[in-house]
Amino acid sequence: DTAVSQTPKYLVTQMGNDKSIKCEQNLGHDTMYWYKQDSKKFLKIMFSYNNKELIINETVPNRFSPKSPDKAHLNLHINSLELGDSAVYFCASSQDPGLSYEQYFGPGTRLTVT
Amino acid sequence: AQSVSQHNHHVILSEAASLELGCNYSYGGTVNLFWYVQYPGQHLQLLLKYFSGDPLVKGIKGFEAEFIKSKFSFNLRKPSVQWSDTAEYFCAVDSWSTGKLIFGQGTTLQVKP
Repeated sequence: DTAVSQTPKYLVTQMGNDKSIKCEQNLGHDTMYWYKQDSKKFLKIMFSYNNKELIINETVPNRFSPKSPDKAHLNLHINSLELGDSAVYFCASSQDPGLSYEQYFGPGTRLTVT
Repeated sequence: AQSVSQHNHHVILSEAASLELGCNYSYGGTVNLFWYVQYPGQHLQLLLKYFSGDPLVKGIKGFEAEFIKSKFSFNLRKPSVQWSDTAEYFCAVDSWSTGKLIFGQGTTLQVKP
């Protein structure tokens, strides 16, 4: 039983293309997140959604657009891909942040832009 | 801006050695503190967390961490490491329970058998 799943696991594409990464959680959580891990393994939050509503929107280029069709899914669409977008993207979910919550992470999607 | 600093970037230990990984954060308000581990090729897993109460927190796999508010620190410890502890360790802070985790740079731990 995978708690937080992401597809695809690997994504290789050329500059200028548009791609999407899908994320699904079966934990019944209301809040979902996207993180970017760069080549130096530094993790940075990009977005979070609570019950399909955007809560956190960090300084991310407009080319990145999250979409939450329902509270169990949070997809990441990236337009006009650039070399610098190459990274591992992690989806996570949690109960509403508050007393003693925990974020559960997916396995990651390794995006390589050539 | 909030920041999290992990002082040790790469630590190499022999099995049975004791471990302490440093973590300091820059925010002075109410914080929630986390340590996550990322084993090679795997996703991040929570080792332990601190929200309130006893500042000495025990986690999974024999790890513990101590929150020292006056030092803005949340160091991770394990009395005796195993080869299977080889992984990347991340400290993270969330202020005011917003869900916005700020991560440190990570520490690569290599345990030699």
